[in-house]
Amino acid sequence: DAKTTQPNSMESNEEEPVHLPCNHSTISGTDYIHWYRQLPSQGPEYVIHGLTSNVNNRMASLAIAEDRKSSTLILHRATLRDAAVYYCILRPLNSGGSNYKLTFGKGTLLTVNP
Amino acid sequence: GAVVSQHPSWVICKSGTSVKIECRSLDFQATTMFWYRQFPKQSLMLMATSNEGSKATYEQGVEKDKFLINHASLTLSTLTVTSAHPEDSSFYICSATRSGVGTQYFGPGTRLLVL
Repeated sequence: DAKTTQPNSMESNEEEPVHLPCNHSTISGTDYIHWYRQLPSQGPEYVIHGLTSNVNNRMASLAIAEDRKSSTLILHRATLRDAAVYYCILRPLNSGGSNYKLTFGKGTLLTVNP
Repeated sequence: GAVVSQHPSWVICKSGTSVKIECRSLDFQATTMFWYRQFPKQSLMLMATSNEGSKATYEQGVEKDKFLINHASLTLSTLTVTSAHPEDSSFYICSATRSGVGTQYFGPGTRLLVL
């Protein structure tokens, strides 16, 4: 499986933007870039995903480098509720069954200061 | 949105007993469900992939006779930890996907403590 590299931890202040980086230099042309986050004592939740183009949704934006070897999750205005571990995961394009499985790395622990 | 529930949310049991954890997709049909385990301060580790109506596929190192998975319907998968021991104490999380959609929807997790 293609691996991702993320910083162990990051800090942000409330109401400020947060840029969470992810390196995936061995990404293949058919890998989607997925982001999930896990709040304390909860199951993970889906944040966003993309393939080549930048993506926006109500939770965040995903900026994907032109060579796809890195990506950045952008939280436009961090709140205290955004404090979580953020996971950047590559998933194959091929659909169905076990191809949907996710391999979690250590992720980035985001601390948001009031 | 897609909601996945787990029951129970926490369980304490004696060593040697079996514990069943249920995972339900509440508003969609889940063609595939996944079971993860997470120890304190660690990341999620995939245990097995469960497809409705077929046998689960276990990850390397996960004992299929100890962690029994049943995916009897498109909305329910169960994980039974048989003859639980203290080292099985962990946070067990399930997730579900639906056909054609690669996003995984996670349950809230079940915290198991084996005494």
